[in-house]
Amino acid sequence: DIVMTQTPLSLSVTPGQPASISCKSSQSLLHSDGKTYLYWYLQKPGQSPQLLIYEVSNRFSGVPDRFSGSGSGTDFTLKISRVEAEDVGVYYCMQSIQLWRFGQGTKVEIK
Amino acid sequence: QVQLVESGGGVVQPGGSLRLSCAASGFTFSSYGMHWVRQAPGKGLEWVAFIRYDGSNKYYADSVKGRFTISRDNSKNTLYLQMNSLRAEDTAVYYCAKDLKLRWPPEAFDIWGQGTMVTVSS
Repeated sequence: DIVMTQTPLSLSVTPGQPASISCKSSQSLLHSDGKTYLYWYLQKPGQSPQLLIYEVSNRFSGVPDRFSGSGSGTDFTLKISRVEAEDVGVYYCMQSIQLWRFGQGTKVEIK
Repeated sequence: QVQLVESGGGVVQPGGSLRLSCAASGFTFSSYGMHWVRQAPGKGLEWVAFIRYDGSNKYYADSVKGRFTISRDNSKNTLYLQMNSLRAEDTAVYYCAKDLKLRWPPEAFDIWGQGTMVTVSS
């Protein structure tokens, strides 16, 4: 089974400042079809999760461009260029090369 | 707009059964794979089951294999999860989610329902 490990598990950010979350997988997420099956979700307080980034670096429809994803193989990063109050919640990375598995989640709060 | 509405949650005794439903609207349900994902109270997300757009392939997490059955009725735009032999550790909010990709292969979840709570307790 592929294990997804996120760091840090919590993050306190001043509005307007950048934030970064790391996600490491125990196996490469690069498929033979050339795609890398790594996704980022945000679960805002009291809400269902929402898709932010698909296939490492593609922003889903309606996602602000302050969110960006990068990485390859087993190491991935989600960056928020300037954190806003509405960005609070728990961020999850997820792999789908081998069924579907999430990281533990990173809780982001505003200072 | 695209919408998923779960129902059927509730309180059930250990060893009991429950069937969840997810009513879909706003997209061509019969063209997309569908998933169930759960979240235990205060915990992270756990994928539970997937069904192919035409119902011909089903995958399950090891934690529910042999106890849960995913199914769909494309004529009713509805997804189901039959849960048998329920355990305390199955207590969670259960979300249905639409797959990102048209037809096949499955990829990830792009649209989620609001969730339905299942509590397994005596």
